[in-house]
This record gives sequence, C-alpha cells and structure tokens, in this order.
Amino acid sequence: QSALTQPASVSGSPGQSITISCTGTNSDVGAYNYVSWYQQHPGKAPKVIIYDVRSRPSGVSHRFSGSKSGNTAFLTISGLQSEDEADYYCSSYTSSSTVVFGGGTKVTVL
Amino acid sequence: QLQLQESGPGLVKPSETLSLICSVSGGSVSSTNNYWAWIRQPPGKGLEWIGTIYYSGYTYYNPSLKSRLTISIDTCKSEFSLKLTSVTAADTAVYYCARIPSGFDPNWFDPWGQGTLVTVSS
Repeated sequence: QSALTQPASVSGSPGQSITISCTGTNSDVGAYNYVSWYQQHPGKAPKVIIYDVRSRPSGVSHRFSGSKSGNTAFLTISGLQSEDEADYYCSSYTSSSTVVFGGGTKVTVL
Repeated sequence: QLQLQESGPGLVKPSETLSLICSVSGGSVSSTNNYWAWIRQPPGKGLEWIGTIYYSGYTYYNPSLKSRLTISIDTCKSEFSLKLTSVTAADTAVYYCARIPSGFDPNWFDPWGQGTLVTVSS
C-alpha cells in the first residue's frame, strides 16, 4: 500500500487560516469516510484531532476542521496560534482493511 | 482514564526478533468496542501502521511486514504484544501502541502510548 500524499510543509502567520491536503486513491480516502488527522509535537506521541473526516474528539479546539472531496481530504486550522506549530499526519482506512498514513506535514507559524 | 504503556528491549541485534508488550490500564482489552494497534516511526520520518488486533485475536497486518509479524493479545493480563522477526536497521523506530475506539472498520487511534525507541544494531 502506498502512503497518502501530503505537502512537506505549510506555513502561516498568527491568526491566519491554513489548509493541509491529503491525497489518496479510490481504495482508501475516496472509498470511506474514515480519514483521521494527528498532531505531533517534537518528542511527543501523536494526538488525534479529527476522525471520520470531520469529527472532533472532545477537548480538541474548534479551530481544527476536516473535510473531503473525492480522493483528497483536508485539514484546516483557523486562527493559527504558536502552539499549532507541529507535524500533522493524515490516515485512512483502506479497502484491504488496513490503515495507511500520509508522509506528514510540518506546520510553521511565522 | 485509559492509559497504554509500551515495554521491551531498547536494543535488538540484526536478524533477531523484536518483542514488545503494550500494557493497558484504566480499561479492558476485552471490550467489543475497541481494537488495539501498533504503529512505528523511524527517527526523523513519518508514521507507519504495523497492525491491529481485536480481543478475539483477529488480526490485520501491514502487507509489507506480514511475513515477519505476529501480534497477539492476552485478555487476562490486559496486554497485547508485537513480535517482528529477522530485524534489520530499517526496523529502528519509535514503536507506539494505541487503542482504536471502534468496534468495526478499525481506523483511528486514541489514545497512544508514549512510545519506545527500539534500535537495531550489533
């Protein structure tokens, strides 16, 4: 299975909105509404911020939102804050009942 | 609250078997509403899903690791484990265990253990 495609880096100024894309195929992202997003700060374990394309676990800021169009999923961070600087990974369930991750996107707050 | 903790050797020799245990506290690995998973992250690189297990012992494996991989579960001890045979330097990574809070189509991970670094070197 091939990794999902994410941009290597995205940056924005405090208060701005940024969007990270996650492109797969019609065997994973396009096949199910089972895309999740994880935030990982240096030296820490990843933390889920979006699951099932657009659902937010309790305690996750409303500034994080998810969407999907065809084989591409998106994570939008609104009102960018310094603490949002981290690596972000998408993942998707696949038609083989496996899970595939994206390569990760480094978000920099300018 | 549910907590997961990985344990095992931090150094494994090439061609030997990597063995890790994930101890689960604050909840039961026997829950029909959860699956349990292993994920790894080579130093400076991205996440790779290794495999998933249900309380019944049913497993899903990453096709690229399947020939070397065994994931098992011990409901009495509330733990699940990972064995990866014939390791090479490419298996050097931080290994995480995680819960999948779904009883079907296991696909998202929460919470995660803190991770444990396993280095493959002679």
